Amino acid sequence: GESVGLHLPTLSVQEGDNSIINCAYSNSASDYFIWYKQESGKGPQFIIDIRSNMDKRQGQRVTVLLNKTVKHLSLQIAATQPGDSAVYFCADQTSGSRLTFGEGTQLTVNP
Amino acid sequence: DAGVIQSPRHEVTEMGQEVTLRCKPISGHDYLFWYRQTMMRGLELLIYFNNNVPIDDSGMPEDRFSAKMPNASFSTLKIQPSEPRDSAVYFCASSFEDRAHGYTFGSGTRLTVV
Repeated sequence: GESVGLHLPTLSVQEGDNSIINCAYSNSASDYFIWYKQESGKGPQFIIDIRSNMDKRQGQRVTVLLNKTVKHLSLQIAATQPGDSAVYFCADQTSGSRLTFGEGTQLTVNP
Repeated sequence: DAGVIQSPRHEVTEMGQEVTLRCKPISGHDYLFWYRQTMMRGLELLIYFNNNVPIDDSGMPEDRFSAKMPNASFSTLKIQPSEPRDSAVYFCASSFEDRAHGYTFGSGTRLTVV
């Protein structure tokens, strides 16, 4: 069938709940991973990164988990706020190459 | 620092016209990237520069697209002639020593070709 555009995965949560956004990557040689947040009308903004020698990294209200065995990355947002509503992209990188972006997940926070 | 500055923010042009998008990277950053974002394809890397030299332009869709970086503080992406399918948001990003956490994106140029 004809493609009509990317169907962004969506996640809807209540304000104050925790959010978990998932991402799968395909390149087993990727050694660096990043989560970006893109608000409407703005460019992607760096949130947190993690290297392949780690499986967890925490920031302010955010935690990134990396499972290299299944090539899976997740972003956890604690106590989600309305200002967290945005599209979240994961990206991976292999040494010497460029970032590869995932398709993004639309997070909506309901008051 | 004011961040990566792109101009114009919005551009509406007629098919066949030349379009020039501009970018001022963050001072001191040695990598500059041009991305295109559409609903169909998501975020695509078009071309990137290192120390003002184009390194990889394999993402440029066709010869109608060209990019230059005459100096460390300025880059342009030109489309000539423009077509409706070029309608998208074009982002410029810069970084230092090509580390992803340093990828700072501009606010983008929303291009509409009618």
